[in-house]
Amino acid sequence: DSGVTQTPKHLITATGQRVTLRCSPRSGDLSVYWYQQSLDQGLQFLIQYYNGEERAKGNILERFSAQQFPDLHSELNLSSLELGDSALYFCASSVGTSGTGGNEQFFGPGTRLTVL
Amino acid sequence: EDQVTQSPEALRLQEGESSSLNCSYTVSGLRGLFWYRQDPGKGPEFLFTLYSAGEEKEKERLKATLTKKESFLHITAPKPEDSATYLCAVRRNQGGKLIFGQGTELSVKP
Repeated sequence: DSGVTQTPKHLITATGQRVTLRCSPRSGDLSVYWYQQSLDQGLQFLIQYYNGEERAKGNILERFSAQQFPDLHSELNLSSLELGDSALYFCASSVGTSGTGGNEQFFGPGTRLTVL
Repeated sequence: EDQVTQSPEALRLQEGESSSLNCSYTVSGLRGLFWYRQDPGKGPEFLFTLYSAGEEKEKERLKATLTKKESFLHITAPKPEDSATYLCAVRRNQGGKLIFGQGTELSVKP
């Protein structure tokens, strides 16, 4: 158990819909990262937040957005869903945001999204 | 462009048959190379971080090493419970995002 929690575990929805994925980081971690894992693309970085502020953006679609709240939990919002958005979505957390040491990322169990 | 390539894609071993997994990387300003283990349908589990060439780390039957261009994950006398996908990732000088390789799927038969 990494200490990172994600809800829900599974999500089945239809094209065009909107969903929200939730993540609670490990106690004491200030950074939250979101990754998408699909069979053909592997693990792809989406976005990072540090202590409530956006720090880095990766290959995140405009239909997707995220935020980190004052209690440090984070939500990933996916809208106008398409079949190709079906994937595993992982949240990870770390103590800091850059530099050496203490920045290992610990991953949650993931949310499996299926878009029908 | 930053790139991480893992080989082989899949590896089948007999229990007790030692081997190595390779991770080749091209990244400007490496600030850490990470190894993770991932079981099917689960989140990646952190194994090691390596920061500089020549560095080595060990954990049970696993040993990770790092050179300027690649990293190796050596598995000594593997057991069936070592079966999983092993992922390598790098972090650049700027920012905290990890760039992952496609992984090596390891299967250890009794």
